[in-house]
Amino acid sequence: GEDVEQSLFLSVREGDSSVINCTYTDSSSTYLYWYKQEPGAGLQLLTYIFSNMDMKQDQRLTVLLNKKDKHLSLRIADTQTGDSAIYFCAEMNYGGSQGNLIFGKGTKLSVKP
Amino acid sequence: DTAVSQTPKYLVTQMGNDKSIKCEQNLGHDTMYWYKQDSKKFLKIMFSYNNKELIINETVPNRFSPKSPDKAHLNLHINSLELGDSAVYFCASSLRTVTNYGYTFGSGTRLTVV
Repeated sequence: GEDVEQSLFLSVREGDSSVINCTYTDSSSTYLYWYKQEPGAGLQLLTYIFSNMDMKQDQRLTVLLNKKDKHLSLRIADTQTGDSAIYFCAEMNYGGSQGNLIFGKGTKLSVKP
Repeated sequence: DTAVSQTPKYLVTQMGNDKSIKCEQNLGHDTMYWYKQDSKKFLKIMFSYNNKELIINETVPNRFSPKSPDKAHLNLHINSLELGDSAVYFCASSLRTVTNYGYTFGSGTRLTVV
């Protein structure tokens, strides 16, 4: 079955790096995603990585993928108070004829000034 | 604006009522979805639908039914509302053949059943 696991909380100080970790189970996932949800808002796609990549960098965001261990991480450099949000890891699950995005439970990132 | 839009943003209703949440996308996507986010922020897929196939998460009660008048709309109809249906419901869409961009989500409908 499909399952995506994340730790629920992370607290960092402004200016530090944040690392949010995720493990997934579906080895057939071709894409893995990070979404951000600010309070009272919908989900915003932050970044994604294709399964044949080890790393993807996009400005302050670095995604690392260890396919062997089915481990995905999101590093946010120079974390700001505006980065405070819930971050969801998601995998594309291909059970059945359509892919479905399966989400982890979300990691609430709190950034202290 | 190109987007996934849901209405209403907030819905407060009594137990036993029937209600609908509307969703529209103007992105030209061919597949639409409904997700439920509970009070702990856990997101679970309820339905995925394109013009050929409806896939229902088996845990969804049959009081919930998606209705799609056309490719750009997927409404969620809920019969006999229960207290446990209180949650935020998100509509999303995607182009099924292009999965690298993931899904585009609406801003959510907060349903409160009293």
